[in-house]
Amino acid sequence: DAMVIQNPRYQVTQFGKPVTLSCSQTLNHNVMYWYQQKSSQAPKLLFHYYDKDFNNEADTPDNFQSRRPNTSFCFLDIRSPGLGDAAMYLCATSRDPPGQGLPRGKLFFGSGTQLSVL
Amino acid sequence: AQTVTQSQPEMSVQEAETVTLSCTYDTSESDYYLFWYKQPPSRQMILVIRQEAYKQQNATENRFSVNFQKAAKSFSLKISDSQLGDAAMYFCAYRSKTGTSYGKLTFGQGTILTVHP
Repeated sequence: DAMVIQNPRYQVTQFGKPVTLSCSQTLNHNVMYWYQQKSSQAPKLLFHYYDKDFNNEADTPDNFQSRRPNTSFCFLDIRSPGLGDAAMYLCATSRDPPGQGLPRGKLFFGSGTQLSVL
Repeated sequence: AQTVTQSQPEMSVQEAETVTLSCTYDTSESDYYLFWYKQPPSRQMILVIRQEAYKQQNATENRFSVNFQKAAKSFSLKISDSQLGDAAMYFCAYRSKTGTSYGKLTFGQGTILTVHP
């Protein structure tokens, strides 16, 4: 069963046209993360929500925003996509502190959304 | 800030043989998590194995095992009896348990593993 779901799998947008990527989870995890992964590179954390608290990485561009309307959903908004924003965007979740029966410390990843900017 | 280094951009192994992927990290913390994630061409991140730093015993998961050397800050992954399905990008990752970096997963640069039939 899918636990962290990202839609769509592929997203094409135009240069400068706002785009929103979505992530939902059925795990009831309190922490949700957004990572950006460019081709042949390691994933890079953009921001994360610990419950309702938003935590932005210092080097995340202002062009990237996020919303978490409830526990299950989290959105990544790119206000004015540039060519350099083309990448795979990975959503992940975790429970912190860890609950019983869960592998401690594990992040659960979605399948990602591949964003192309034309 | 913590850093993770994988010094082998690419590795190859014959099917049924054993291969070891290297990882070193830098931290001032005493307790933390270390992971190996596998990312096949589908780009899905799959957890391979997990180690908590306070545990001296090396983690094992079927054909996968680690050599965790805390003092040396080394965390290598050994894959035994390699299978074609093991071919993927492998990422070593560090996760803090405390402080301002709490919860964040820091990845190494990745190692592409090729398995030859």
